[in-house]
Amino acid sequence: DIQMTQSPSSLSASVGDRVTLTCRASESISSSLNWYQQKPGKAPNLLIYSASSLQSGIPSRFSGSGSGTDFTLTINSLQPEDFATYYCQQTYTTPRELTFGGGTKVEIK
Amino acid sequence: QVQLVQSGADVKKPGASVKVSCKASGYTFTNDRIHWVRQAPGERLEWMGWIWPGRGNTEYPQKFQGRLTFTQDTSANTAYMELSSLRSEDTGLYYCTRDRGYCNGGKCYSRFESWGQGTLVTVSS
Repeated sequence: DIQMTQSPSSLSASVGDRVTLTCRASESISSSLNWYQQKPGKAPNLLIYSASSLQSGIPSRFSGSGSGTDFTLTINSLQPEDFATYYCQQTYTTPRELTFGGGTKVEIK
Repeated sequence: QVQLVQSGADVKKPGASVKVSCKASGYTFTNDRIHWVRQAPGERLEWMGWIWPGRGNTEYPQKFQGRLTFTQDTSANTAYMELSSLRSEDTGLYYCTRDRGYCNGGKCYSRFESWGQGTLVTVSS
């Protein structure tokens, strides 16, 4: 299976900050990467697919980049509703063995 | 609008089985795969496989082979996940999600666009 590693596991930031989250695949996955946001007690919500495509309805302050093994999710001007845990998911092996990263929790400083 | 509504929380003893339902509305149920994802307390999301309603095709990760069964009732737009031989490590939130895939460069990839609200399964003696 392809292993996904996210860093950092948590970070503290203030409203208005720009934050960058990282996801690394154990082997090349081209641009087959999705990002999800999850708030406590809620289901995940798709933010970005195909590494950099913004899902419909998601604010433009969210952006994704990367290909191969290294990917980033950037949140420009962090808003109060953005404090959550973010997961990456590789879909290179669709429809088999889809795997998630361990998550990055974004907390209020 | 697309909705996935799951069955309620359940408590099971070790060794028992649990069956969770996922009722879909707002789209053509047979068009897209339904995946199942679980999350143990404080842990990462774990992909559990999928069923393609209408086609009946299924995919199970190696980890769950022999313990996991997906079924469907297309007349009720409902998918089911049954996990047997439960152990304490199976305690967690179980989600169904609609895969509205996208295609790029001649290949198609998964995209979990809509999710159920989650079903808490507790395994305890």
